Amino acid sequence: DQQVKQNSPSLSVQEGRISILNCDYTNSMFDYFLWYKKYPAEGPTFLISISSIKDKNEDGRFTVFLNKSAKHLSLHIVPSQPGDSAVYFCAASVTGANNLFFGTGTRLTVIP
Amino acid sequence: ETGVTQSPTHLIKTRGQQVTLRCSSQSGHNTVSWYQQALGQGPQFIFQYYREEENGRGNFPPRFSGLQFPNYSSELNVNALELDDSALYLCASSPMGLAGVEEQYFGPGTRLTVT
Repeated sequence: DQQVKQNSPSLSVQEGRISILNCDYTNSMFDYFLWYKKYPAEGPTFLISISSIKDKNEDGRFTVFLNKSAKHLSLHIVPSQPGDSAVYFCAASVTGANNLFFGTGTRLTVIP
Repeated sequence: ETGVTQSPTHLIKTRGQQVTLRCSSQSGHNTVSWYQQALGQGPQFIFQYYREEENGRGNFPPRFSGLQFPNYSSELNVNALELDDSALYLCASSPMGLAGVEEQYFGPGTRLTVT
């Protein structure tokens, strides 16, 4: 029962362009959403998060958008850089809970 | 400041055997969570330890058990290994209990192969 879904296993983008990674969730109790980036042979590292009381959160080149009615969030990376090439995981949690529910990940390749 | 470390890096076991994986939490962190990441999947929460007590568990059978030590390091034990237990096992530490899930810092993982 996958409560967080990332339907695109991979994405290729030219350097300098926008990367848009998508994520859908089914559990309406989720109220906190995160994006993690994972390089090979390393653990996931936290990138950016958003609370359900917001619909947008920005941090430098990274912006996360949340559409609660559609149970959908997206991560925008502008401009994309070759160093952004990694697997990106969307994750969700319920406030007060101690665990994260992860999607299956999207492998982003930024082409120089 | 030392990050989260895990040992061993890789491990091969036979079905039916038992395995112990180890995790050293980041300095100042007293909470450790364990995740299983099967091939092509996202990490799945196994359980969390806070102050040496289990503090939440995911949908994993009792043959998955853990320990946390006074120095906050942790072990994950899996008994009666099955082929489906083959996965990357990730440990994440965080400060001060339920400080916020974004505070979880992940180790590089242990790759377990069950044959």
